Amino acid sequence: EVQLVESGGGLVKPGGSLRLSCAASGFTFSDYSMNWVRQAPGKGLEWVSSITSSSNYIYYADSVKGRFTISRDNAQNSLYLEMNSLRAEDTAVYYCARDRGYCSSISCYGIDFDYWGQGSLVTVSS
Amino acid sequence: QTVVTQEPSLTVSPGGTVTLTCASSTGAVTSGYYPNWFQQKPGQAPKALIYSTSNKHSWTPARFSGSLLGGKAALTLSGVQPEDEADYYCLLYYGDALVFGGGTKLTVL
Repeated sequence: EVQLVESGGGLVKPGGSLRLSCAASGFTFSDYSMNWVRQAPGKGLEWVSSITSSSNYIYYADSVKGRFTISRDNAQNSLYLEMNSLRAEDTAVYYCARDRGYCSSISCYGIDFDYWGQGSLVTVSS
Repeated sequence: QTVVTQEPSLTVSPGGTVTLTCASSTGAVTSGYYPNWFQQKPGQAPKALIYSTSNKHSWTPARFSGSLLGGKAALTLSGVQPEDEADYYCLLYYGDALVFGGGTKLTVL
């Protein structure tokens, strides 16, 4: 059974930092691209960042570029999101999601966010 | 900034049929945008329904179908059930970014 479990959320002051983790099980983690998606309270979904299976290609939404860093440890079956210079507008539930698609140097193909974790709440407030 | 637009809300009667659409501010949606559709119920994580325009996951009920319609991605529910009441989101691929639509709140009444 595929499982994705996020952790590391909590309350942080504006300008602070936080590191989210996503523990994966039930599949060969190193075969899949992974993503972070967030949802502010009462709002819709927002894609945050993607990382390919071997970390060859990494993408960020403009809203987090330069502040957030996605990474993965295939030996530990884990995905991470390092969040710096946090703002009130970063307050959200953060989900990790598996992607069955793949990327080459030219493009990505077959995007399919098939499995999602239950999410981790990040609150940025003084 | 790329915007993906969905109907904010739709209402359908049980047993009826409804089509949700997903439009791109950049022009017509094609299969190269790999449209994905997700269902989200209150307090739950999103659940994948459709990928690459029209492909269903093993858990996707047969009454859900995806297509391209008039330059948009579309999700059609045929024979709507009360448990289909939820928020529905589309996702489109733009090369170095992915963009979710604003979501459609589907009410079954």
